[in-house]
Amino acid sequence: DAKTTQPPSMDCAEGRAANLPCNHSTISGNEYVYWYRQIHSQGPQYIIHGLKNNETNEMASLIITEDRKSSTLILPHATLRDTAVYYCIVRVVHNAGKSTFGDGTTLTVKP
Amino acid sequence: KAGVTQTPRYLIKTRGQQVTLSCSPISGHRSVSWYQQTPGQGLQFLFEYFSETQRNKGNFPGRFSGRQFSNSRSEMNVSTLELGDSALYLCASSLEDLDTEAFFGQGTRLTVV
Repeated sequence: DAKTTQPPSMDCAEGRAANLPCNHSTISGNEYVYWYRQIHSQGPQYIIHGLKNNETNEMASLIITEDRKSSTLILPHATLRDTAVYYCIVRVVHNAGKSTFGDGTTLTVKP
Repeated sequence: KAGVTQTPRYLIKTRGQQVTLSCSPISGHRSVSWYQQTPGQGLQFLFEYFSETQRNKGNFPGRFSGRQFSNSRSEMNVSTLELGDSALYLCASSLEDLDTEAFFGQGTRLTVV
């Protein structure tokens, strides 16, 4: 799996959009970008994934650059409950069970 | 539908003992993976089972083993426990299909004293 680089921490004001960046410059053509988050002492929670097109679901939006070397997870209206560690993972789609988690970004949403 | 269930949630063992952790995947999911999470090493992949066969394995010593049953439930075993094995052990299940994601359980918090 390709390596990812994320900032260690970010702050965001409640109600504002949280934009979490991820670099994956060595991504291969068959690798997807996945985002998970982990709230303290709970198991990671799937958020969203994409290959090359921008994706949106009820939780977030994923913007992938045209060269696919980086992406941004957008939480449109962050709440205090969005405070968590966010992991960006790159892997082939059919290997869901084997993911390489980096250190992630600790997002703190402040009132 | 029910999520991934891990038992027990908390466990305290002494050095040298062995432990067995259990994971029940989401109904219909045939892949089960195990991860170890510690403050120093983060989330690390242990192994993955599919249809009762180990399909992928991480870089852990042979003291860590697992198995999967015909109903997709999985167990992992750690023998000769060391203090450094204290961690949150997470199980994830997924469909054997394209365009899929892994769903994690709440984990088992193992403390070795």
